[in-house]
Amino acid sequence: KAGVTQTPRYLIKTRGQQVTLSCSPISGHRSVSWYQQTPGQGLQFLFEYFSETQRNKGNFPGRFSGRQFSNSRSEMNVSTLELGDSALYLCASSFGGAPTNEKLFFGSGTQLSVL
Amino acid sequence: QQQVKQSPQSLIVQKGGISIINCAYENTAFDYFPWYQQFPGKGPALLIAIRPDVSEKKEGRFTISFNKSAKQFSLHIMDSQPGDSATYFCAASRIASNTGKLIFGQGTTLQVKP
Repeated sequence: KAGVTQTPRYLIKTRGQQVTLSCSPISGHRSVSWYQQTPGQGLQFLFEYFSETQRNKGNFPGRFSGRQFSNSRSEMNVSTLELGDSALYLCASSFGGAPTNEKLFFGSGTQLSVL
Repeated sequence: QQQVKQSPQSLIVQKGGISIINCAYENTAFDYFPWYQQFPGKGPALLIAIRPDVSEKKEGRFTISFNKSAKQFSLHIMDSQPGDSATYFCAASRIASNTGKLIFGQGTTLQVKP
């Protein structure tokens, strides 16, 4: 069974640009969560989608947005990039319904560098 | 109230020794406490998890101890091996929230010396 796939693996952008990251969840998983990982702040929750609907959102500015498609694949978009957006962006999938919702399976992430 | 505090930040253990990582939480609504293991270049992987209705859970060399009254839980790695060298994250969530949101600790970098 294929795991969570994130593309691209690495990305270099300049300040002010926008970026779109992609995540394909494990087959059968309907929930996709996004996390930002930095050395200083650790792992922080961005948002979660289930059946194309955003169910929860973390404390990030509106520049961070996402969506989910009918096949459960998800994209995350960051507009007007800032230097502080440099981070590893992780996608996690799960079945999405209790009691299995808590078992998150992470992808290897997209390493975003903003210059 | 949403924080999970993890210690130590780094840990060096000899092969065969016991590695212990501690976490403390504030929100008593949390009812699911997983530990994740992360190797360089990889995403975190679920190692073991516990719910507050039990005080201890063991899976192979990995044991979670849970103290509900103190709002603390810890990971014990018995007979630590060089292959266990990784970053470990504790986390907490509310299952009823049903949203895949985990609150993570800051992480512990474990080095097991051969």
